[in-house]
Amino acid sequence: QKEVEQNSGPLSVPEGAIASLNCTYSDRGSQSFFWYRQYSGKSPELIMFIYSNGDKEDGRFTAQLNKASQYVSLLIRDSQPSDSATYLCAVRRISGGSYIPTFGRGTSLIVHP
Amino acid sequence: EAGVTQFPSHSVIEKGQTVTLRCDPISGHDNLYWYRRVMGKEIKFLLHFVKESKQDESGMPNNRFLAERTGGTYSTLKVQPAELEDSGVYFCASSNRGGYNEQFFGPGTRLTVL
Repeated sequence: QKEVEQNSGPLSVPEGAIASLNCTYSDRGSQSFFWYRQYSGKSPELIMFIYSNGDKEDGRFTAQLNKASQYVSLLIRDSQPSDSATYLCAVRRISGGSYIPTFGRGTSLIVHP
Repeated sequence: EAGVTQFPSHSVIEKGQTVTLRCDPISGHDNLYWYRRVMGKEIKFLLHFVKESKQDESGMPNNRFLAERTGGTYSTLKVQPAELEDSGVYFCASSNRGGYNEQFFGPGTRLTVL
């Protein structure tokens, strides 16, 4: 079982719709959860992080965390073509003072006009 | 503020050759990380520096990889001798406080070993 699993996609949604990206993880000791956006050929860019169960909203983005079910999701409201990218889920536990995230393979999102 | 920079952006070498990748973190960031993404796979952690010291090198695949961060500023990652399976994109990231805060990624170096 992969440590962090994401559907590779592509997930295709029309402009203005809600895009829902999901991620499951295997390590119950995970404490921090991150969503990165990566445009083709560019560096990963952090867009959201969440530590506590429930929802966290930032503009058009909402991260949802359910530790009991070991999943974290990212909702993008009013999707725009500029949101088309690969979204990477990463989870992290604090182990020996190290803050190293474990990444999923990413979900490709396509927002079409 | 300048971001994390990496050099070169691309490198194509033959099996058995040596390649050195460079990473310049954001100024003032004590934490520097190296990651690698092999095609079709996830980004994998290689190494973590705190200033010039190696905090965690559990992700280094084997002794053909050598990372240094002399003076606690820029870092180099040398692969010697390179093998075909070393091909991938090597990312560097930096953060400013114990790694707890956001890691800022560089654009990566795409390494191709023929």
